[in-house]
Amino acid sequence: DAGVTQSPTHLIKTRGQHVTLRCSPISGHKSVSWYQQVLGQGPQFIFQYYEKEERGRGNFPDRFSARQFPNYSSELNVNALLLGDSALYLCASSPRTGGSDTQYFGPGTRLTVL
Amino acid sequence: GENVEQHPSTLSVQEGDSAVIKCTYSDSASNYFPWYKQELGKRPQLIIDIRSNVGEKKDQRIAVTLNKTAKHFSLHITETQPEDSAVYFCAASKVDYKLSFGAGTTVTVRA
Repeated sequence: DAGVTQSPTHLIKTRGQHVTLRCSPISGHKSVSWYQQVLGQGPQFIFQYYEKEERGRGNFPDRFSARQFPNYSSELNVNALLLGDSALYLCASSPRTGGSDTQYFGPGTRLTVL
Repeated sequence: GENVEQHPSTLSVQEGDSAVIKCTYSDSASNYFPWYKQELGKRPQLIIDIRSNVGEKKDQRIAVTLNKTAKHFSLHITETQPEDSAVYFCAASKVDYKLSFGAGTTVTVRA
C-alpha cells in the first residue's frame, strides 16, 4: 500500500529563487494539505486542496501558492525565497475535506535557503 | 484562530514507567484531536485520535482523554519502551480542514 510520496527529498536554493515541491496522495484520497515545519516546532498549515479547489489557506504570504491536478497530486510553489523559508515541507492526504478526517503525512521535502 | 498549547516540552521517563502529555486548545468548535509521533528525520505518524463525542480512547499501551469543558486533552503511554522515544505532537481541528499543532514534546525513554 503506497503512502503519500513527495519530491524532491532535499532541495538547496538561494534567496530570491523559486521552488516547486510535489506531492502524490494515497490512492483514492482526494484532499491534499500542505504544512511547513520549522526545526523544533510543530507543523504550520499552509493550504488545503480538495477536488482541485483551494479549501483553505493559512497565514502565509502570497509568495506561497499551490494547485491540485486532476489525478489529485499537488504542487506547492514558493517565489522570492527568503532565508526564513528554510523548513521541512510536509504534504498530507485525506479521503475528503473536513478537519475530522485523518490526515496521513508524506516524508517531506527539506528546503534549505542560502 | 485555534491555538494549541502542549506541555511538557521535554519528558524523560524510565523504561516501563508511564508518560503523560497534555494539550489545551482555544476554539470550542474544535472537534477532532489527533496525536502524531515523529521520529528524527521521519514523517509524522498518526498514533491515535479522538473525536469530540468521545471522552476516552485506548489502543494497547496508548490512550487519549478529552475534556471538552476544560478544553484539554491528554496522551497517556503506559509501559514505555525505548522505541517510544520520539517527538509527539497534539493537534486540533474543526470540521473545516486545518490541523493546528502544538509545539511538540520530546520523549526520551531511559533503558
